[in-house]
Amino acid sequence: QSALTQPPSVSGSPGQSVIISCTGTSSDIGSYDRVSWYQQPPGTAPKLLIYEVTNRPSGVPDRFSGSKSGNTASLSITGLQAEDEADYYCSSKLSSDTWVFGGGTKLTVL
Amino acid sequence: QVQLVESGGGVVQPGRSLRLSCAASGFTFSRYGMHWVRRAPGKGLEWVSFIRNGGTNQNYADSVKGRFTISRDNSRNTLYLQMDSLRAEDTAVYYCARDGPHFDMDSWGQGTLVTVSS
Repeated sequence: QSALTQPPSVSGSPGQSVIISCTGTSSDIGSYDRVSWYQQPPGTAPKLLIYEVTNRPSGVPDRFSGSKSGNTASLSITGLQAEDEADYYCSSKLSSDTWVFGGGTKLTVL
Repeated sequence: QVQLVESGGGVVQPGRSLRLSCAASGFTFSRYGMHWVRRAPGKGLEWVSFIRNGGTNQNYADSVKGRFTISRDNSRNTLYLQMDSLRAEDTAVYYCARDGPHFDMDSWGQGTLVTVSS
């Protein structure tokens, strides 16, 4: 159950775009499309942003998008807004009903 | 709308026990698997445990296996986490989350803080 690898922090100015990577292995991200992304603003609960690599739940702006290549999944945020400042986490379901999160990435909007 | 409300957190000494509860409403609780996820101070999210909708199958992170027990009462729409032999490193905000249909956690509670300290 090793954690997925994310950069500790990313930053961008309003209106710019950022990409957050999430690296796993051929046993998790590389083999299955079971990657989801969560947003957690300070002092609040996590919120589902992306499921099954690329899909957005209703209500999530299309400024948020997901992708995957090999063992690495990515979250892209375009048109950065101040309200996007938060911690972002990737997650993958493993076999046998267990899950793993990435270490988290703090997004700072400059 | 889906609502998950955790309770039972507090300050507890190392080695002691605590039981968390998560009251669910706004959906048919018995149809969904449920998770516990925690976030320690200054750290990221850590998946803790999962239980299927019928309660017949439970899984745990290695860090809590043998010390924590997840359970549920579908007649009371409530999820539980029994935490025994608590350690300082178990200090965290504990969230319950609903297991979504896409290998995700689609709804979360606001969390309850557990502090393990002498």
